[in-house]
Amino acid sequence: ETGVTQTPRHLVMGMTNKKSLKCEQHLGHNAMYWYKQSAKKPLELMFVYNFKEQTENNSVPSRFSPECPNSSHLFLHLHTLQPEDSALYLCASSRMNTEAFFGQGTRLTVV
Amino acid sequence: GQQVMQIPQYQHVQEGEDFTTYCNSSTTLSNIQWYKQRPGGHPVFLIQLVKSGEVKKQKRLTFQFGEAKKNSSLHITATQTTDVGTYFCAGEASGTYKYIFGTGTRLKVLA
Repeated sequence: ETGVTQTPRHLVMGMTNKKSLKCEQHLGHNAMYWYKQSAKKPLELMFVYNFKEQTENNSVPSRFSPECPNSSHLFLHLHTLQPEDSALYLCASSRMNTEAFFGQGTRLTVV
Repeated sequence: GQQVMQIPQYQHVQEGEDFTTYCNSSTTLSNIQWYKQRPGGHPVFLIQLVKSGEVKKQKRLTFQFGEAKKNSSLHITATQTTDVGTYFCAGEASGTYKYIFGTGTRLKVLA
């Protein structure tokens, strides 16, 4: 248990569906992140939020839409995804320049 | 953009043998972190190095940060089956929250 909780753990969605991934932390961290991990690829940083403000958008397609309503919650809204978007989506949180705590991830399959 | 490469990509060792993974960044790093991801798991923080030439040890693990702060290494002495997993380095190029993960080295230990 890392203190970072992601739901759901597994998700199968069609290319026309809309779904959301949720991440929650109560560690008092001010930064939250979304990473994508595909098979045989390194962890790809998608979005960074610092004190609820988005500070990084790593050229992520608009079919991925993040939302950070407060420092403890982070969402990733998904719509019209492609099969190549199937991956493990990891949320993490941290204080500035310190270790990141990762959630268990959401295994996403787009069919 | 910033790139962080790791070699080797895969390493199979006999239990009891030593193991080393190398991390190289295209840009100077302010600090570097190391994570371990067990099969089916999420990345777990191991250590952070900040100073040029810094060396830190954790039991059988030795971490080193290069003098130029562009490379790092992780050495495991006398590997055990519990060391199995993928080891990632993650570098921060500036005083931001943006950590770029390396490509990872997947370690298998044969009993």
